[in-house]
Amino acid sequence: GQQVMQIPQYQHVQEGEDFTTYCNSSTTLSNIQWYKQRPGGHPVFLIQLVKSGEVKKQKRLTFQFGEAKKNSSLHITATQTTDVGTYFCAGDTGANNLFFGTGTRLTVIP
Amino acid sequence: DAGVTQSPTHLIKTRGQHVTLRCSPISGHKSVSWYQQVLGQGPQFIFQYYEKEERGRGNFPDRFSARQFPNYSSELNVNALLLGDSALYLCASSSGRNTGELFFGEGSRLTVL
Repeated sequence: GQQVMQIPQYQHVQEGEDFTTYCNSSTTLSNIQWYKQRPGGHPVFLIQLVKSGEVKKQKRLTFQFGEAKKNSSLHITATQTTDVGTYFCAGDTGANNLFFGTGTRLTVIP
Repeated sequence: DAGVTQSPTHLIKTRGQHVTLRCSPISGHKSVSWYQQVLGQGPQFIFQYYEKEERGRGNFPDRFSARQFPNYSSELNVNALLLGDSALYLCASSSGRNTGELFFGEGSRLTVL
């Protein structure tokens, strides 16, 4: 069945360091979305990538969608304590459901 | 404007009981999806409804059922509760039929004893 894996599972960084999480799907995706969930909160949409090889930036966040549309990454430059949370990718196969990844839990040490 | 609202926020049930969880989508959104999130894991897709019809179903047993009402609100029902059903149940709404940006509610935290 459809699987979406993320690595690493956990990441501790010093404030100001960069952070990257990687997402891999077992099948080709029609699009991929990224969400952030703060501790005790609910997932909040960050971005959607649709095109093969697409790169999008939101301030310090850079999102990439692989050429084969099976992998994606999120890179945060110069992390801040407000970046703390779990980052999930969610793959859409076009079948009206989203398969969420396993998530990467980011801790930022002040 | 109100976001996605879910009720109840917390509830405790015992094995074998049933539970009904409710969700009101953002005004104007016609699609509602339900997800189960076990502690430490990503949300797992249960159902999607659009215009009162089921459009997608995840890999969950028949004990799980849902419906969408004419006002686009939705209910998730779980029968014969098991300990493993303990989780955060998230409702998400979106504007269109196809999967786009999901707006999640705060969730209903279910504990099965």
